[in-house]
Amino acid sequence: DADVTQTPRNRITKTGKRIMLECSQTKGHDRMYWYRQDPGLGLRLIYYSFDVKDINKGEISDGYSVSRQAQAKFSLSLESAIPNQTALYFCATSPPGQDTGELFFGEGSRLTVL
Amino acid sequence: GQNIDQPTEMTATEGAIVQINCTYQTSGFNGLFWYQQHAGEAPTFLSYNVLDGLEEKGRFSSFLSRSKGYSYLLLKELQMKDSASYLCAALDSNYQLIWGAGTKLIIKP
Repeated sequence: DADVTQTPRNRITKTGKRIMLECSQTKGHDRMYWYRQDPGLGLRLIYYSFDVKDINKGEISDGYSVSRQAQAKFSLSLESAIPNQTALYFCATSPPGQDTGELFFGEGSRLTVL
Repeated sequence: GQNIDQPTEMTATEGAIVQINCTYQTSGFNGLFWYQQHAGEAPTFLSYNVLDGLEEKGRFSSFLSRSKGYSYLLLKELQMKDSASYLCAALDSNYQLIWGAGTKLIIKP
């Protein structure tokens, strides 16, 4: 079983629908992240959380919200999906320590908004 | 602004050596990372450099020059399974990763 699990793996939805992507991890890491990946672009950070009570906006948080339900769970919501949110979304975790850029990624959630 | 540049695509032959370059401009610098991403899969960590010089790890090596804002990933004895995208990422002064768009490496027999 994967250490970082994302559900759903694939989702097709319509404009205006609310979507939730869920992430759970068994690595025991406090830090969790949501990224999106688009062809020709680098990974872009949406939100990150360093512990259950800590939520921070990333580079492209508009149109997204998150919830850190527990140390092991971090979900991403699109309140009203739009076509330009069609992308591959990755959840990631990292161990504590400021100098660590070693991330452990989930398998990705491919979202298509029609 | 912050920027990471790497070639979009490279082609190499099985058994050969390939060097993938990366240049970065960031607000402060706390390290350079390389990740491998096979098509349709998640990125996986390959290497980390924070000091100038070469770090070797099996068939893969990574080099950093902080003064030049430059890094490269060197892959030796290429195997077909090395066909993947290679992502360069720099850790800025806020300890945030800035990602390049990735280099797609195609290995031919």
